[in-house]
Amino acid sequence: EVQLLESGGGLVQPGGSLRLSCAASGFTFSNYAMSWVRQAPGKGLEWVSGISSIGGTYHADSVKGRFTISRDNSKSTLYLQVDSLRAEDTAVYYCAKDGGYMDVWGKGTTVTVSS
Amino acid sequence: DIQMTQSPSTLSASVGDRVTITCRASQSLSSWLAWYQQKPGKAPKLLIYKASSLESGVPARFSGSGSGTEFTLTISSLQPDDFATYYCQQYNSYGWTFGQGTKVEIK
Repeated sequence: EVQLLESGGGLVQPGGSLRLSCAASGFTFSNYAMSWVRQAPGKGLEWVSGISSIGGTYHADSVKGRFTISRDNSKSTLYLQVDSLRAEDTAVYYCAKDGGYMDVWGKGTTVTVSS
Repeated sequence: DIQMTQSPSTLSASVGDRVTITCRASQSLSSWLAWYQQKPGKAPKLLIYKASSLESGVPARFSGSGSGTEFTLTISSLQPDDFATYYCQQYNSYGWTFGQGTKVEIK
């Protein structure tokens, strides 16, 4: 079964950091681009960051310079390092298999930025 | 970035109704558009890709059409399981962007 499982979310103070992880199974992880998409409480979906199968990275302007996407193909795991967190980064963060359209999604991990 | 605008924002309908949601892009996408369904507390689910291709396992009552800057998602006969929020997403130009969502409610 194709599956993505996120972890690493939590409550963090403004200015703090977290590392989100996404463990993939059921498909050849190294062959696919991957993305992180977030959803603030009561709001719509926002693409945050993407990484190609060969490691090229892309970030939304809203997180550029603060978030870093990476992958470890030997562990079939996607990461998102989130630094300098702001209240507006509070959201559920989903990882997704990215062929342009996103056909496999994890259940999400919640990041709450609050003092 | 490409801006995506969905209409309506909310739609009230009854079981059995034909429902149409529109998505407009700020520039041409060719056919690089996807549609998702999301239920409260759940991850989005892919319904349609490349504007009109039905994802495996998605009921045939869902269909997509359009190209360029204007696209539609149609549910031919609304079922109880279809009450949810629907999003379009462009993947023509990196920095993927989503529409703001259309909530389909019970009338």
